[in-house]
Amino acid sequence: AQTVTQSQPEMSVQEAETVTLSCTYDTSESDYYLFWYKQPPSRQMILVIRQEAYKQQNATENRFSVNFQKAAKSFSLKISDSQLGDAAMYFCAHRGSNYKLTFGKGTLLTVNP
Amino acid sequence: DGGITQSPKYLFRKEGQNVTLSCEQNLNHDAMYWYRQDPGQGLRLIYYSQIVNDFQKGDIAEGYSVSREKKESFPLTVTSAQKNPTAFYLCASSLVGGPMNTEAFFGQGTRLTVV
Repeated sequence: AQTVTQSQPEMSVQEAETVTLSCTYDTSESDYYLFWYKQPPSRQMILVIRQEAYKQQNATENRFSVNFQKAAKSFSLKISDSQLGDAAMYFCAHRGSNYKLTFGKGTLLTVNP
Repeated sequence: DGGITQSPKYLFRKEGQNVTLSCEQNLNHDAMYWYRQDPGQGLRLIYYSQIVNDFQKGDIAEGYSVSREKKESFPLTVTSAQKNPTAFYLCASSLVGGPMNTEAFFGQGTRLTVV
């Protein structure tokens, strides 16, 4: 069974600084997809970044980048130049070939001015 | 505008009553999902469906039922067998086939309170 673990229930960062959120997962498949979603207080789920397991290159979207370590089954999210609007709950997710989409328990990110 | 619509936004029911949460999408997505969100628990998968007339149990299916008679619709029934139904429920959909990296799109959620 696929599982996703986020070991940091809460994190905080100073505005303009960099923060890294951790995620590990367990799967028996070699081809799968990983996602980071953001959930602000409105509770609307917003895609932040995605990574295909067959690609060795780490995905990047503006200030957001990932460190994907396939052998270690690790998928961390780095937020650079943190902004007040980045404050939210962040969820890591895994999707396998059966389209089952599994989420971690989330990390609450606080951005301090 | 294309999107996923969950209704109602807030729902109150008496204990022992079944209740059905609506989820409709006009994105032409094949896959649809139902999640339950509780504080500190993240999103837990209840049921998902890749195609019309077929669906699979997720990690916490007990006390819930679904149907997928139309591509656009994936209603969730919370039955009286669900011991702790008060929660925030999220519906999502995504494409099937083609590039697998297409993300899931989410509705606005339904807050169910059982009294």
